[in-house]
Amino acid sequence: SQTIHQWPATLVQPVGSPLSLECTVEGTSNPNLYWYRQAAGRGLQLLFYSVGIGQISSEVPQNLSASRPQDRQFILSSKKLLLSDSGFYLCAWSSLPGRAQHFGDGTRLSIL
Amino acid sequence: RKEVEQDPGPFNVPEGATVAFNCTYSNSASQSFFWYRQDCRKEPKLLMSVYSSGNEDGRFTAQLNRASQYISLLIRDSKLSDSATYLCVVNRGSNNDMRFGAGTRLTVKP
Repeated sequence: SQTIHQWPATLVQPVGSPLSLECTVEGTSNPNLYWYRQAAGRGLQLLFYSVGIGQISSEVPQNLSASRPQDRQFILSSKKLLLSDSGFYLCAWSSLPGRAQHFGDGTRLSIL
Repeated sequence: RKEVEQDPGPFNVPEGATVAFNCTYSNSASQSFFWYRQDCRKEPKLLMSVYSSGNEDGRFTAQLNRASQYISLLIRDSKLSDSATYLCVVNRGSNNDMRFGAGTRLTVKP
């Protein structure tokens, strides 16, 4: 069966520090991968998605970036975090576009 | 107007009650529809897909009305464990663009 792993579970970072969140999927090949952010009490906002290695699409302009160095690995990064980057970051995968997405446990990021 | 709109609630119902949630979407090209549940401070989990003919999974029934562009979720015989936020999710029409509603919060009380 397919599983998705995301870490760390929580992270506290100072403003201006770099960020790297990692997500890996097991039990499937060539998944579609997604990064979302959920602000407190708000809906999910799609940040990036990827249909294959090295292929990244960005949904919103921001100081975050994403990379997919391997088929089942998706990384979210920032060179300098802002206070507004605080939130709950969720990685998800789907087998095909338009199919149901399955989420990792999420990373709760607090910026101080 | 938001692309996917839900009544935020909260819905507070007693155990055993029947509760219904509605969700409207604005993009008529949408093809895929889902309901997720999200527990407090947890990730969303797929509850059920929504099919054109309507579908049922135990106590849960989902329906789609394409003409009016809304989907619904009916929960019968509510359990305490049904307390969560229910998210309506709609594919925007392009392949990888799912839009999530902000969610409807349900609390089932003894």
